[in-house]
Amino acid sequence: SYELTQPPSVSVSPGQTARITCSGDALPKQYAYWYQQKPGQAPVLVIYKDSERPSGIPERFSGSSSGTTVTLTISGVQAEDEADYYCQSADSSGTYRVVFGGGTKLTVL
Amino acid sequence: QVQLVESGGGVVQPGGSLRLSCAASGFTFSSYGMHWVRQAPGKGLEWVAFIRYDGSNKYYADSVKGRFTISRDNSKNTLYLQMNSLRAEDTAVYYCAKDSAVAGTRGEYFQHWGQGTLVTVSS
Repeated sequence: SYELTQPPSVSVSPGQTARITCSGDALPKQYAYWYQQKPGQAPVLVIYKDSERPSGIPERFSGSSSGTTVTLTISGVQAEDEADYYCQSADSSGTYRVVFGGGTKLTVL
Repeated sequence: QVQLVESGGGVVQPGGSLRLSCAASGFTFSSYGMHWVRQAPGKGLEWVAFIRYDGSNKYYADSVKGRFTISRDNSKNTLYLQMNSLRAEDTAVYYCAKDSAVAGTRGEYFQHWGQGTLVTVSS
């Protein structure tokens, strides 16, 4: 079955660049999306279609894709960026279903 | 402004049933597909089900297929999730989410989320 793999945790100091990867065999054929979730809150979309940023999301959030890996990059990390981040894609090889990565906890040191 | 408000969560015994509702406002509900996504305590996100904008197609995660039914009433701007034969592993916060695509055949991504409703399956 189709899976998306993320590192469980990433740690960076304030002002540094955080990179969170997401790997999956179908990613060359399907877009990836990224969500930020803070404790006790609903997820928020931060990147769509691999690299597009929704309105209202700070410019320090960006996305990229290369082969079977997509990457969420947060430049100049701020304390408020500490959260769980999930990648998501779709599996349309058979019947439609949505797949999430396991999530990455971003810690700002 | 898009608003999604879930309700209907609570405590239910294993084998029991529950129906969740999601009241939508701030957009043309009948033009968008809708999803249910859940999150078990301390765990990651799990997609549960999707329904097309007109209700003509429905898709389910393998973990709930045959037990859960997604439906919608476009005249009431409301999404539903009927959950039967509940198990302990169904314990989670259940979110409804608006899809991004207008009149899409299948879902694309989750553009807006509700705040969630907690379902606890326990004896």
